[in-house]
Amino acid sequence: AQSVTQLDSQVPVFEEAPVELRCNYSSSVSVYLFWYVQYPNQGLQLLLKYLSGSTLVESINGFEAEFNKSQTSFHLRKPSVHISDTAEYFCAVSALRAGNNRKLIWGLGTSLAVNP
Amino acid sequence: EAGVTQFPSHSVIEKGQTVTLRCDPISGHDNLYWYRRVMGKEIKFLLHFVKESKQDESGMPNNRFLAERTGGTYSTLKVQPAELEDSGVYFCASSQEVNTEAFFGQGTRLTVV
Repeated sequence: AQSVTQLDSQVPVFEEAPVELRCNYSSSVSVYLFWYVQYPNQGLQLLLKYLSGSTLVESINGFEAEFNKSQTSFHLRKPSVHISDTAEYFCAVSALRAGNNRKLIWGLGTSLAVNP
Repeated sequence: EAGVTQFPSHSVIEKGQTVTLRCDPISGHDNLYWYRRVMGKEIKFLLHFVKESKQDESGMPNNRFLAERTGGTYSTLKVQPAELEDSGVYFCASSQEVNTEAFFGQGTRLTVV
């Protein structure tokens, strides 16, 4: 079985400051890793994902996450945040296994509040 | 192209009543998923359809929940009778293939009073 821990439920930060949202997971099998974002009054959107290859993955809006297998982490970072980044961020994993199942296991979410 | 749409966006019902949530996936997406987020807890998987067949319903809480996907297009999730602990946000997602990106709807916020 897999589990996901997001260590911070709320992260307040000032505009243009750097931010790191932490995510750790546990799994007895290899996993795919995801970050989803939910902006106010919108649905969940995929922000970035790690399936294989380079352990550093980037999104189109400046976020990046690094898969660290030894520390079982997939922390999300951005060097300079904008007001528009205010949202709830979810880390999720999916077991890498055969068969037609892509069930996502989710963390509790981190609410990022960017203040002017 | 229309995204995943869910209806209604909000529903407030009394304990013991019945509620039906609807999800329209992206056209052509064979895979449809239901998830639920209860307040203060993580989002949890409910079930997965491939076309009209239930591929995995291991996350369905109990037999008060019934999901259908007749014809392999839209899906409904019926709760009958609703209990207070059923309150939460119900998300639907769809994907073209099982290992491609899943697109989520805005969710239905269900409140049972």
